[in-house]
Amino acid sequence: EIVMTQSPATLSVSPGERATLSCRASQSVSSNLAWYQQKPGQAPRLLIYGASTRATGIPARFSGSGSGTEFTLTISSLQSEDFAVYYCQQYNNWRTTFGQGTKVEIK
Amino acid sequence: QVQLVQSGAEVKKPGASVKVSCKASGYTFTSYGISWVRQAPGQGLEWMGWISAYNGNTNYAQKLQGRVTMTTDTSTSTAYMELRSLRSDDTAVYYCARAPVVNDAFDIWGQGTMVTVSS
Repeated sequence: EIVMTQSPATLSVSPGERATLSCRASQSVSSNLAWYQQKPGQAPRLLIYGASTRATGIPARFSGSGSGTEFTLTISSLQSEDFAVYYCQQYNNWRTTFGQGTKVEIK
Repeated sequence: QVQLVQSGAEVKKPGASVKVSCKASGYTFTSYGISWVRQAPGQGLEWMGWISAYNGNTNYAQKLQGRVTMTTDTSTSTAYMELRSLRSDDTAVYYCARAPVVNDAFDIWGQGTMVTVSS
């Protein structure tokens, strides 16, 4: 099983600031990496797939980068609606796995 | 619009079974698969398995093999997930999510179904 490790567990950021979230895979997943946003009481929402492609309707302030084992999600200027938990997911093989999540909270 | 609508919350006793439904609309059901993902209270996301709505092929997470069965009814565009021999640590929100193939991102999610296992 491919283990996905996200850091940090919690990120405290002020509105308008930049947020950088990391995700590391225990072995290469090529570019088969997605990012999701989850707010309390809601289902996850797909933000990024293919490591860097924004999903339909996702604002340009969200960007993804990386390949192999190291990936980054960047939120260029945090808006109030961006405070949430973010998960990465590898789908390089059929045993897809998720990271444990990074909570982005208001500083 | 494209959406997945799940059945309502369930309360079950240990050892019982639960069957959760996920009705698709707004797209061609048989052109995609459905994955099931669960989330225990305050915890992260755990993939349970995937079913092709085209031919019914399934892939299950190893830890749930033998306890979970995923099926589809193409006449009603509905996917089902049945989990047997329920334990307290099966208490979670269960989500269905659309994925074209087994190894793909999940672009549409259901609203979730809370399953509580308690004596």
